[in-house]
Amino acid sequence: GQNIDQPTEMTATEGAIVQINCTYQTSGFNGLFWYQQHAGEAPTFLSYNVLDGLEEKGRFSSFLSRSKGYSYLLLKELQMKDSASYLCAVSRNDYKLSFGAGTTVTVRA
Amino acid sequence: DGGITQSPKYLFRKEGQNVTLSCEQNLNHDAMYWYRQDPGQGLRLIYYSQIVNDFQKGDIAEGYSVSREKKESFPLTVTSAQKNPTAFYLCASMRGSGANVLTFGAGSRLTVL
Repeated sequence: GQNIDQPTEMTATEGAIVQINCTYQTSGFNGLFWYQQHAGEAPTFLSYNVLDGLEEKGRFSSFLSRSKGYSYLLLKELQMKDSASYLCAVSRNDYKLSFGAGTTVTVRA
Repeated sequence: DGGITQSPKYLFRKEGQNVTLSCEQNLNHDAMYWYRQDPGQGLRLIYYSQIVNDFQKGDIAEGYSVSREKKESFPLTVTSAQKNPTAFYLCASMRGSGANVLTFGAGSRLTVL
């Protein structure tokens, strides 16, 4: 089994930066994913980390530390459309992907 | 365009009835997955299949059944044995082994009356 923990909710102002943390405990670690999910819709892929370090993709960046079982998703220059749930997911060697409960981000004008 | 099609989008059923949710993909992906999503609990894995004619139970398989007779199709049956079936059901697929990206369908919302 595994535990994947992330905050339930975060609120930030348009144009600001928000960092969503994710901690995990798992065996057979094979990568960490971040997905974005708008209410009532399917999750969409944001980023993937398998090695330690920072991966940058436009306004979104994701960091991984395998030794600490820790990742974060950084959202810069927040826009109203970034209001959504952000899901941290851990991939294991048995090809199963397990998800955290998600962090609901609310962007205010 | 390639993608995953789930149907129906909304489904209502009476207690004691079985219901089958359809999932079809034209991405030529080998692996397919069914997740259930409840408020505040994230996505939980029901069943997954890495190849045709083979599938494995996920974390919450009780009360559900699947089949994988074709590479493109992975239907999920919610049986009357599932005690709390009202949920949002998501089907997903992945190209093959390793940590590839999951592609999700739009989901099916099942409500038991």
